[in-house]
Amino acid sequence: GENVEQHPSTLSVQEGDSAVIKCTYSDSASNYFPWYKQELGKGPQLIIDIRSNVGEKKDQRIAVTLNKTAKHFSLHITETQPEDSAVYFCAASLNENLGRLYFGRGTQLTVWP
Amino acid sequence: DSGVTQTPKHLITATGQRVTLRCSPRSGDLSVYWYQQSLDQGLQFLIQYYNGEERAKGNILERFSAQQFPDLHSELNLSSLELGDSALYFCASSVAGGSAYEQYFGPGTRLTVT
Repeated sequence: GENVEQHPSTLSVQEGDSAVIKCTYSDSASNYFPWYKQELGKGPQLIIDIRSNVGEKKDQRIAVTLNKTAKHFSLHITETQPEDSAVYFCAASLNENLGRLYFGRGTQLTVWP
Repeated sequence: DSGVTQTPKHLITATGQRVTLRCSPRSGDLSVYWYQQSLDQGLQFLIQYYNGEERAKGNILERFSAQQFPDLHSELNLSSLELGDSALYFCASSVAGGSAYEQYFGPGTRLTVT
């Protein structure tokens, strides 16, 4: 199967700064990479995703980049706000495994006002 | 609110017992996925159903089973419960059946086995 590693496990930034979370995957056949935000007591919320035929995708303050050669992808949050504080998970999917997502262990992001 | 609903929100039961968790997907979604979240294992995929048929299987124990009904809601049955089964169980849904694209998660069921 796939192995997804995520770094860092915790990240603290000042409001207005940028935050970057990085993930690596092991199987070069992986072709779909979503990012989820999980707030305390809630389910994971899909915030952005990228497919293997695209190198970068942006949605307002959030962007994801994918480097297929190096097998890593990153989440970039600019102009961070206290409400961005949550646990962020990256995931990867092998098409032949259909609906299965392989998740990283998560990054606890804290944005200080 | 993702539009995925799960009941119950909390469940406390004893070892050896059997429980059923219920999930209703977003309107129009045909796929339902079940995941287990624990401190030890993180978020682990259990099983996927698409339009009533099992589509993909992950790290699901033999003591666990699931099904998807004609109205597309799904149930996850956990039997002969052990302390280690205590976890958050999430259901997700999507339109897609042949890929993992755009899965939307419900609020989860917290299972505590005592």
